[in-house]
Amino acid sequence: GEDVEQSLFLSVREGDSSVINCTYTDSSSTYLYWYKQEPGAGLQLLTYIFSNMDMKQDQRLTVLLNKKDKHLSLRIADTQTGDSAIYFCADERTGGGNKLTFGTGTQLKVEL
Amino acid sequence: GAGVSQSPSNKVTEKGKDVELRCDPISGHTALYWYRQSLGQGLEFLIYFQGNSAPDKSGLPSDRFSAERTGGSVSTLTIQRTQQEDSAVYLCASSLSVYNYGYTFGSGTRLTVV
Repeated sequence: GEDVEQSLFLSVREGDSSVINCTYTDSSSTYLYWYKQEPGAGLQLLTYIFSNMDMKQDQRLTVLLNKKDKHLSLRIADTQTGDSAIYFCADERTGGGNKLTFGTGTQLKVEL
Repeated sequence: GAGVSQSPSNKVTEKGKDVELRCDPISGHTALYWYRQSLGQGLEFLIYFQGNSAPDKSGLPSDRFSAERTGGSVSTLTIQRTQQEDSAVYLCASSLSVYNYGYTFGSGTRLTVV
């Protein structure tokens, strides 16, 4: 299967943590990525994790990977209004020429 | 250039006309990718180039779609006899090579077929 799935919407209050979840089906995934898309803009690479890692932290971002369950999450600590955007997870498969399969995106809304 | 540049940023065309979308990757990036982002469809892969060759064209939706890359740099995506279902944002991305993780995306071309 080639599906990468995400929930469509998430709403949080400013200062809270946001957790965006993603599931994928292909066990040959080598790297998994999180991209951010602001209105009218292209996608910006936020972070990535190699499939043999469980966790990666980068400032306010924490990526957790459960390879057994094929579940990926992105936690944003101290969420700010500037974090409002669509977040896409994507996976890269072995031998895929770095081609990515994207999820449908999760729209994060940060409320004051 | 400093980033991936796409032109035009917006294109409105009549059904049945041909359109050309252009992508100028980051200088020195050998890998170039085209994706399409439509409402309700998410991001779908179209084609990628390693240098001037296209090892994977599997995502092109029909034979009305073609792409080329010359000189290992600029790429054009051509859609012939456009249909309304071709309306979408066409995103281009580049990376140093197919072995580098993560791409840099351009801002996209919004195509509207009326």
